[in-house]
Amino acid sequence: GAVVSQHPSWVICKSGTSVKIECRSLDFQATTMFWYRQFPKQSLMLMATSNEGSKATYEQGVEKDKFLINHASLTLSTLTVTSAHPEDSSFYICSARDWALEDNEQFFGPGTRLTVL
Amino acid sequence: QKEVEQDPGPLSVPEGAIVSLNCTYSNSAFQYFMWYRQYSRKGPELLMYTYSSGNKEDGRFTAQVDKSSKYISLFIRDSQPSDSATYLCAMSEAYMNYGGSQGNLIFGKGTKLSVKP
Repeated sequence: GAVVSQHPSWVICKSGTSVKIECRSLDFQATTMFWYRQFPKQSLMLMATSNEGSKATYEQGVEKDKFLINHASLTLSTLTVTSAHPEDSSFYICSARDWALEDNEQFFGPGTRLTVL
Repeated sequence: QKEVEQDPGPLSVPEGAIVSLNCTYSNSAFQYFMWYRQYSRKGPELLMYTYSSGNKEDGRFTAQVDKSSKYISLFIRDSQPSDSATYLCAMSEAYMNYGGSQGNLIFGKGTKLSVKP
């Protein structure tokens, strides 16, 4: 299957700092990338959908000014958590969809664990 | 009422047992049903993918969809310790909807499975 990578795999930061997480599709072009957040013992919750070259679509309740998403190329999307606070500590997972495939499969990255002190 | 309900477990079974994992849902528009396996601190990986009602078999895994009851199942035969993971069901209305939300995946909370040697 297609491979999606995320960097970093984990990050610890102080409250008030900004953190950037990268999501890359390594062997396919991803016109659409998704960002999810997963709290312990909870389901993956979609935060936003980004299509290459256009603004991201945020789910209800997700602050677009706090979670900045950039999808500047067909293989890279970034999520920046601005002015992070302890309640932003979570497991952030991206996924990517290849429009060349005739199904709904999203390929998931390994996730980034963010801990805000 | 949440759109997708899944018993979080944990579920512990002896090696060789048949495992049954289930999800119920409320949105009758869901057409695509998926099961993902997620190891600790890793991103989900797709196990099975089914469109509409019916059964699908892949090795030791069988996925069943009963749209009339809004109920899906994943069966694991001859379970192995390596099957120990969290299993997430996911579903969506459409498989491809550029710029829309019908293709978004809605996840259950996941069921944590432990297969004891």
